Amino acid sequence: QVQLQESGPGLVKPSETLSLTCTVSGGSITGSYWSWIRQFPGGGLEWIGNFLSGGSTFYNPSLKSRVRISGDTSKNQLSLSLTSVTTADTAVYYCAGERANSPPWFDPWGQGILVTVSS
Amino acid sequence: SYELTQPPSVSVSPGQTARLTCSGDALPKQYAHWYQQKPGQAPVVVMYKDNERPPGIPQRFSGSSSGTTASLTISGVQAEDEADYYCQSADITGIYQFFGGGTKLTVL
Repeated sequence: QVQLQESGPGLVKPSETLSLTCTVSGGSITGSYWSWIRQFPGGGLEWIGNFLSGGSTFYNPSLKSRVRISGDTSKNQLSLSLTSVTTADTAVYYCAGERANSPPWFDPWGQGILVTVSS
Repeated sequence: SYELTQPPSVSVSPGQTARLTCSGDALPKQYAHWYQQKPGQAPVVVMYKDNERPPGIPQRFSGSSSGTTASLTISGVQAEDEADYYCQSADITGIYQFFGGGTKLTVL
């Protein structure tokens, strides 16, 4: 079955750029939507945006000016870039596959990676 | 920004029925999906498209939606059902996805 694994630095300094990678195994990233989702320390979940190889990318309007999601089909990986981070961006970051579009639900999820923004 | 509203907590005794709710203005037009999250784990979908149960999810989980409120019902709650539950749907455009604040289900 499809499995996702997030990777990247666990500590980022304020004002710098958060960069994460999601490696997809057991299936191709081509032809499907993939999302990044984050969960704050208090528990709330926030959809960051999604990516379709060769197609549209949509971002949460609240993050649109700072976020970019891309994919590398040769490596079967997704990437997340979030610029000008603050402590409010401290969260567990998940990548997830999208099922259907009515609206989509998220399955499967990666295990998540904790990113702390601190000097 | 669109909001989905969930009660912060629900408590039930084992064997009882737990009904978790999720309210949102676009729910008459958009499906709701539900996730269960246990400590230290990623969320897992337990209900999609209001009332569709994924393979492997026990039959005691059921879903419904009426007007601006979607519901997840757990009949005959078991200790293993203690978790955080999140609803998810889209705004009226269907493009942007949102999660409710989550309900912590406590099994007494």
